[in-house]
Amino acid sequence: DIQMTQSPSSLSASVGDRVTVTCRASQSISNYLNWYQQKPGKAPKLLIYAASSLQSVVPSRFSGSGSGTDFTLTISSLQPEDFATYYCQQTYSSPRTFGQGTKVEIK
Amino acid sequence: EVQLLESGGGLVQPGGSLRVSCAASGFTFSSYAMTWVRQAPGKGLEWVSAISGSGTATYYADSVKGRFTISRDNSKNTLYLQMNSLRAEDTAVYYCGADTVTVGYYGVDVWGQGTTVTVSS
Repeated sequence: DIQMTQSPSSLSASVGDRVTVTCRASQSISNYLNWYQQKPGKAPKLLIYAASSLQSVVPSRFSGSGSGTDFTLTISSLQPEDFATYYCQQTYSSPRTFGQGTKVEIK
Repeated sequence: EVQLLESGGGLVQPGGSLRVSCAASGFTFSSYAMTWVRQAPGKGLEWVSAISGSGTATYYADSVKGRFTISRDNSKNTLYLQMNSLRAEDTAVYYCGADTVTVGYYGVDVWGQGTTVTVSS
């Protein structure tokens, strides 16, 4: 099975900050990498698929990059509604594993 | 409106069985792959199972293989997850989801609200 490791596990940031979350796969997954945002008590929301394709209605301050084993989610200017937990997921092969999550908290 | 509505969750004893359902509306259900994802209390997301639009291809996490069965009835626009030999560690909110936009990247862009399964004596 492919293991997905996110870093950091949590971070504190202020409104307006640039935030970067990293996801590393245990083997190459090409660009089969999706990013989700989840708020407490809610279902996840797809932000980015295919490593860098922005899902419709997602604000352009979110971006994704990477291929192979190393991927990045960037929020260019953190907004109050962005405080949440972010998960990466590989869909290169089954089981389609998630990372452990990165909680973005208010500083 | 595109919508998924789960049902069937509840309290079940260890070793018992439960079937959860996911009713779809607002899109051509049979055209899209479907997924089950679960989240144990206070934990992260865990991918559980997926099925192709036709239902001919199914996939499972190692933790549920041999115990859970995913299926779909395209005439009823409904997805199912039959869970047998349930364990305490299967306690979670179970979400169904659809991949309607990512075309082969299996990203879940439509989600249900979740149904809670509790395995306890």
